Amino acid sequence: QVRLVESGGGLVKPGGSLRLSCAASGFSFSDSNMSWLRQAPGKGLEYISYISSGGGAIFYADSVEGRFSISRDNAKRTLYLQMNSLRAEDTAVYYCAKDLFSAAPGPFDYWGQGTLVTVSS
Amino acid sequence: DTVLRQSPGTLSLSPGERATLSCKTTQSVSGAFFAWYQQKPGQAPRLLIYGASSRATGTPDRFIGSGSGTDFTLTIDRLEPEDFAVYYCQQFGSSPPIAFGGGTKLEIK
Repeated sequence: QVRLVESGGGLVKPGGSLRLSCAASGFSFSDSNMSWLRQAPGKGLEYISYISSGGGAIFYADSVEGRFSISRDNAKRTLYLQMNSLRAEDTAVYYCAKDLFSAAPGPFDYWGQGTLVTVSS
Repeated sequence: DTVLRQSPGTLSLSPGERATLSCKTTQSVSGAFFAWYQQKPGQAPRLLIYGASSRATGTPDRFIGSGSGTDFTLTIDRLEPEDFAVYYCQQFGSSPPIAFGGGTKLEIK
């Protein structure tokens, strides 16, 4: 079955960096667009980044543009999110998700369990 | 940017009743690019409805999505105990940003 497993979260100081990974299995990863979303504690969902199946199309939300970088390794079936210059407001559970359609971002038919990123001194 | 406003914020109902959840957008949205998700505590969201009215794989037929333009509705007929959760609407598509509503919490009365 489809499985997405995030890792790499943790506690980091403001201004620090983290790299999240999302290991995919159970579907054709190289044919699938992928996204990262996040959810601050007790808050709603925020879409933050998208990468097309081949990596040629990438999108970032304004809130992370210039600080976060999405990438993928189709041979390793892994999605990444490099997060730099982290701020307290980046504290959230980060989810990787598979896009249902090939034409454009969303909707998201499979999600990982999430990994918590806490930015605090 | 389009803003999605969900109402009510909290809905208290009993099992067996019908739930009606609303999502209004500040700009017209194509129904093809509209979805609903369910999220239970401690879990990732689950896609319920896409294309405004198409059920995702595994979504029971008591979940009914409808609407167009700026007004979309998720109706849950005959509430089951496992339906009590938070529900989010979403606009997606080729033009970012992708937006979510603030959520409606469906709680047991």
